[in-house]
Amino acid sequence: GEDVEQSLFLSVREGDSSVINCTYTDSSSTYLYWYKQEPGAGLQLLTYIFSNMDMKQDQRLTVLLNKKDKHLSLRIADTQTGDSAIYFCAEKWDSSNTGKLIFGQGTTLQVKP
Amino acid sequence: ETGVTQTPRHLVMGMTNKKSLKCEQHLGHNAMYWYKQSAKKPLELMFVYNFKEQTENNSVPSRFSPECPNSSHLFLHLHTLQPEDSALYLCASSQQGRGLTNYGYTFGSGTRLTVV
Repeated sequence: GEDVEQSLFLSVREGDSSVINCTYTDSSSTYLYWYKQEPGAGLQLLTYIFSNMDMKQDQRLTVLLNKKDKHLSLRIADTQTGDSAIYFCAEKWDSSNTGKLIFGQGTTLQVKP
Repeated sequence: ETGVTQTPRHLVMGMTNKKSLKCEQHLGHNAMYWYKQSAKKPLELMFVYNFKEQTENNSVPSRFSPECPNSSHLFLHLHTLQPEDSALYLCASSQQGRGLTNYGYTFGSGTRLTVV
């Protein structure tokens, strides 16, 4: 079966870097995603990485993928109070042909001024 | 309008009521999804529709009944719900394709459902 796990909570100070970690189980995943959810809102796609890459950078966001260990991380540089939200890791479950994404339980990021 | 729109944003219903949640996507996507988000639990996939056909029902109780009349609209019909069904119900859409395609979802803002 498929499973995606994340730590539940992370607290950082404004200006510091944040690193949110995720582990997944499906070794055939082709894409892995990071979503952000602000209070009262749906999930917003932040970034994604293809499984043949080990790093992707997009402005303040850096995604690292260790496919051997099935470990994904999201680094947010110069974290701002507006980055406070819940961050979800997701994998595309390739055993299904429906494009189903499996989500972790989300990491709440608290940014202190 | 653009993106994925869900209505209503909030819904309070009694256990004997019948109500429907609506989702509309303006992205030209060919797949739509219902997810349930409860406090302190992972997102639970409920239903998947590809090209208007239901391709997955994730052991969802029959008191939840989906309907997809076309690739732009998705409904979730609710009847005789239980208090534990109170949650945020999220709709999403994506573009499915052959080969290696980024299947990222676009989510709506959700309907906050409270069953009393």
